[in-house]
Formats: sequence, C-alpha cells, structure tokens
Amino acid sequence: RKEVEQDPGPFNVPEGATVAFNCTYSNSASQSFFWYRQDCRKEPKLLMSVYSSGNEDGRFTAQLNRASQYISLLIRDSKLSDSATYLCVVNGNTGFQKLVFGTGTRLLVSP
Amino acid sequence: NAGVTQTPKFQVLKTGQSMTLQCAQDMNHEYMSWYRQDPGMGLRLIHYSVGAGITDQGEVPNGYNVSRSTTEDFPLRLLSAAPSQTSVYFCASIENNEQFFGPGTRLTVL
Repeated sequence: RKEVEQDPGPFNVPEGATVAFNCTYSNSASQSFFWYRQDCRKEPKLLMSVYSSGNEDGRFTAQLNRASQYISLLIRDSKLSDSATYLCVVNGNTGFQKLVFGTGTRLLVSP
Repeated sequence: NAGVTQTPKFQVLKTGQSMTLQCAQDMNHEYMSWYRQDPGMGLRLIHYSVGAGITDQGEVPNGYNVSRSTTEDFPLRLLSAAPSQTSVYFCASIENNEQFFGPGTRLTVL
C-alpha cells in the first residue's frame, strides 16, 4: 500500500460546482498534513495546511479524519482558475525529510 | 525577493555525461532540498540540507551528489547520467513547514 494515496482524476466540473478530494495515508503516526497546488508544468505551491479541527480559507475547506486516516479538500464555487493538480502531503514524523507526497488529483473546471 | 531559482530550465544529456543543476534562494532559509517528480509517482526526496556544510540523503540519492557551501546555494550533481534520471527536478527551501519550490529543471537523458 502506498503511504499516501489519491485518486488521480481528472475531476471534470462546471464553474460554480462544489468538488471534494480525499487522500488516504497509511502511517497512523503522521503529524502534519498539507494540500499543495501544482499548475501544469509549474512548481507545487502550498495551498493550505490541514489542522485537526478542520480549517477554511475562502472557498477552500480542509479536514482531517485521524480515525480513518484521510484528509479532504473541498472547493466551493469552482473557478476556471482552480484547474490544477492538487497534491496531498503528509509528514510522518518531525522533520521535513519525512514528507510524503501523493501523486495528485487533477481538477478541470469548465465554463 | 526572487525566492528559489533554478538553472537550467531544460537540459538534454547523453548517457554517461555529468552535469550540475543549480539552485539558489534569497530567503535565508536554513533547510533546502532536492526532489524529482516522475509521472505516476509523487515527488521523491533526493538529498537535503539543514544548513551550510550539512547534507544528508533522502529517499532516492543514488547517482546524485550535493554540497552546501553557503546558505544560498544548493547544487545537485549528476555524476554519470542514466536514462532512469530523466525527470523533472525541483529544488525547495523550507520555512515553518512550508516548502518553497523553484520552477524546476526538465532533464532528459538519452
């Protein structure tokens, strides 16, 4: 089993739709969780950290379910500019060298 | 601030050639790292550094060397390129758990 698993997609949604991605992780001792966004042929950029109580940043909501070992990202009112690949990142221990990146979920938002 | 810069953007090598991928950051971050990204696989850590003069191996270090003589620079050397090293290489500097990636180098080894 991969340490971090994501549905590769693509998720095709119309503008204005709500879309959610899940990411499962295998290491129950994982400490930190993140969502990164990567545009086509560009570098990944931090979208948001994921906190135990869940957190929101504008149209984006991230949640953590430790019992089932998954994190989720919800995007409301999708924009064309949200089209990208979303990477789930899990830190299995202290120290960035323990970061494990998922392969990403591709989102395509159409007019 | 330029952030993290990488050169070259693209490179084609023949098997057996060596080269250095350059990475520099102007944010005074202590931690830096090199990743490779391949289709169907997440980013994988090659080498990392926790400060000038200190480097260590990541998940996939074979065939690569690094050095960190200054806080700003963290070059990655391919000793003898192989087709399996065809990939996109990202350098990153890290602050407060956030990774700041450079724009990447697309390397093809023939």
